[in-house]
Amino acid sequence: DIQMTQSPSSLSASVGDRVTITCRASEIIRSSFNWYQQKPGRAPKLLIYATSSLQTGVPSRFSGGGSGTDFTLTISSLQPEDLATYFCQQSYSSPLTFGGGTKVEIK
Amino acid sequence: EEQLVESGGGLVQPGRSLRLSCAASGFTFNSYAMHWVRQSPGKGLEWVAHISWNSDNIGYSDSVKGRFTISRDNAKSSLYLHMNSLRPEDTAFYYCVKDSQAAGHWYFDLWGRGTLVTVSS
Repeated sequence: DIQMTQSPSSLSASVGDRVTITCRASEIIRSSFNWYQQKPGRAPKLLIYATSSLQTGVPSRFSGGGSGTDFTLTISSLQPEDLATYFCQQSYSSPLTFGGGTKVEIK
Repeated sequence: EEQLVESGGGLVQPGRSLRLSCAASGFTFNSYAMHWVRQSPGKGLEWVAHISWNSDNIGYSDSVKGRFTISRDNAKSSLYLHMNSLRPEDTAFYYCVKDSQAAGHWYFDLWGRGTLVTVSS
């Protein structure tokens, strides 16, 4: 199975800060990589698919990048409504696997 | 509006069975593969099973293989998960998830709100 390692596991930042979350796959997964946002008490929601494609309706302050084994999610200007846990996922091979999550808190 | 609504969760004793259902609406259900994904309270996400649009292709995680069965009824726009020989470690929120793809890359673009399964004596 492909292991997905996310870092950091949690972070605290101020409104307006630039925030970057990283995810490393245990083997090359091309661009078959996605990011999800889960707000407290809610189901996960797709943010970015195929490494860098923004899902419809997601604010443009979110962006994704990377290739091979290393990927990033960047929030260009953190907003109060971005309080959530963010999960990465590889969709390159079965079983589809997720990272452990990054909890983003607002200072 | 696209929507997935799970049902069937609850408290069940170890070794017993449970069937989860998922009702889909707002999209052409029989055109998409579907998945079940679970999340233990306060923990991460674990993919459980998938089924292709026509049920020809089915897969399971090692942790549930041989105990869980995924199925679908396209006429009813419904997805199911039959869970047998339940264990305490199966305790989790179970999400029904719609699969989509673009340029050969797959992703989960619609999630239900989840149904909680608690396995305990």
